[in-house]
Amino acid sequence: DAGITQSPRHKVTETGTPVTLRCHQTENHRYMYWYRQDPGHGLRLIHYSYGVKDTDKGEVSDGYSVSRSKTEDFLLTLESATSSQTSVYFCAISEVRDRDGYTFGSGTRLTVV
Amino acid sequence: AQSVTQLGSHVSVSEGALVLLRCNYSSSVPPYLFWYVQYPNQGLQLLLKYTSAATLVKGINGFEAEFKKSETSFHLTKPSAHMRDAAEYFCAVSDNNDMRFGAGTRLTVKP
Repeated sequence: DAGITQSPRHKVTETGTPVTLRCHQTENHRYMYWYRQDPGHGLRLIHYSYGVKDTDKGEVSDGYSVSRSKTEDFLLTLESATSSQTSVYFCAISEVRDRDGYTFGSGTRLTVV
Repeated sequence: AQSVTQLGSHVSVSEGALVLLRCNYSSSVPPYLFWYVQYPNQGLQLLLKYTSAATLVKGINGFEAEFKKSETSFHLTKPSAHMRDAAEYFCAVSDNNDMRFGAGTRLTVKP
């Protein structure tokens, strides 16, 4: 979907290194989310944002931090990557918190070796 | 907290056959319910949503789902499967501003 892009699409990093994933939207939606997808677990919420500089933790937030300095950008940072953070990460956006469903980016496949 | 259970991690049907993907939820308040589809190496795409209007919801690509409060179910159906329907399907429930996803069901369509 052209309204939401994630970068990079693929990344391999070493254990203990910091990693930042970027989500960029052109829809001016208020809400932005970071999910991780793992086999057998579906999608699990890491963090979400409800406005510039307004963020909150999700179900699996340990080891992750986020920042949103502009409406269009939502960054996910792994301060010190671990092998358990190998996953596919998806960003999503929505105008309202739950009623209308989300629009997802194409994902970032992260491998921590 | 609400939760979602998708019965069957893999479903296989023949082309032209009925597709039935099962989803049961638990929620303390009337929920919003969704089905998403994920094609390989892509993000999730919204198929349809239930937001307390009609209990039978029609979505894209010929899919529909019926909300049954008494059974706490929101099963996804399509009368006739096509090869292009092969994908992974996720049911999701949202109440009190918290959306939870099921583990997903991978649909295979045999020629």
